Amino acid sequence: DVKVTQSSRYLVKRTGEKVFLECVQDMDHENMFWYRQDPGLGLRLIYFSYDVKMKEKGDIPEGYSVSREKKERFSLILESASTNQTSMYLCASSFGGRALTDTQYFGPGTRLTVL
Amino acid sequence: ILNVEQSPQSLHVQEGDSTNFTCSFPSSNFYALHWYRWETAKSPEALFVMTLNGDEKKKGRISATLNTKEGYSYLYIKGSQPEDSATYLCASGGGADGLTFGKGTHLIIQP
Repeated sequence: DVKVTQSSRYLVKRTGEKVFLECVQDMDHENMFWYRQDPGLGLRLIYFSYDVKMKEKGDIPEGYSVSREKKERFSLILESASTNQTSMYLCASSFGGRALTDTQYFGPGTRLTVL
Repeated sequence: ILNVEQSPQSLHVQEGDSTNFTCSFPSSNFYALHWYRWETAKSPEALFVMTLNGDEKKKGRISATLNTKEGYSYLYIKGSQPEDSATYLCASGGGADGLTFGKGTHLIIQP
């Protein structure tokens, strides 16, 4: 079974803090994704990566950056957390190639609260 | 940004009844249509990926159809059970922009 793990289920941070959300997948997937989910808005793509050291902006990249130094790990970074970044963050991965036709496998999510 | 719409937003169904809901998406530059089930406190789980116009896929009591020319997909659940209660997400994408998800249909099965 594909396993996607995220470093924390719940996280509370203060405004202005630098926040790292970590995601690890164990199936040698090429593609990895970060989404946020807010009530009434559905899943929105923040950043994705098709390969190590590659990154692409999604629909809402402002205020975020990412890092992919190793194939299995994709980190989402909030350089200076703000209250409007309070959300559920979901990581996903998929095999590779034409990412749009590949099933995405999701982690359990991190619920981040910024005070 | 693609506009993927799902309806209804929420649905209450009696146990044993069948139900269906809709996902609509832009038909131009279509690549694939995904359906996911997201149960509370769990990860979204893939149900189907469909790419061809007229595709029909089935998994147990759940099935889906795809019309790429008019830009819609239906998800059907036959004989609803309490374990079918979840949010059902559809997603589509075109080009290199990744998948765009709809807001989901929240399904509640009432015993």
